[in-house]
Amino acid sequence: RKEVEQDPGPFNVPEGATVAFNCTYSNSASQSFFWYRQDCRKEPKLLMSVYSSGNEDGRFTAQLNRASQYISLLIRDSKLSDSATYLCVVRGRDRGSTLGRLYFGRGTQLTVWP
Amino acid sequence: AAGVIQSPRHLIKEKRETATLKCYPIPRHDTVYWYQQGPGQDPQFLISFYEKMQSDKGSIPDRFSAQQFSDYHSELNMSSLELGDSALYFCASSFEENTGELFFGEGSRLTVL
Repeated sequence: RKEVEQDPGPFNVPEGATVAFNCTYSNSASQSFFWYRQDCRKEPKLLMSVYSSGNEDGRFTAQLNRASQYISLLIRDSKLSDSATYLCVVRGRDRGSTLGRLYFGRGTQLTVWP
Repeated sequence: AAGVIQSPRHLIKEKRETATLKCYPIPRHDTVYWYQQGPGQDPQFLISFYEKMQSDKGSIPDRFSAQQFSDYHSELNMSSLELGDSALYFCASSFEENTGELFFGEGSRLTVL
């Protein structure tokens, strides 16, 4: 079983739509949670960290439910420039490692059309 | 601001050849990670270094080795290349005292023919 499971997508939405992505993780000892954005053939870039209390950054809202081991990302008022692959990322801590590695979900592809 | 620098950006090799990828982390970052991303796949963790010592090892084949040097740059050495090694190889760096956010380089695209 993969460490991080994501909605398979793809999501195709019109400009202005609200879209939500979900993700679950398997290791209850995971410590940090992130959403990264990856444009085609480019490197992943941090979109936002995810905190237990939930956090918002403009049109983006992230939620974490530790009990259910579930993470979500909500994008409101979608823009054409939001088209990308969104990667759910969990930082774990493995036996024998000094620092936690990042585990990436497969990614959910979003296309926003005019 | 300085970012993570990877070289070469593109590399074409034949089967059974050897390739070396280089990574220069952001100054003062103490941790370097290597990830491999195949076509349509999520990034797979290969190996990481903290303060020039290997800190974690993932799904890195025995044909691959890596190290971090005294100037904190890292090199990923790949030998006996196989077709399946064709992928985008990302290096990322972080400063562990902070949030632990990883900053990725633009990647090195390896094509094995």
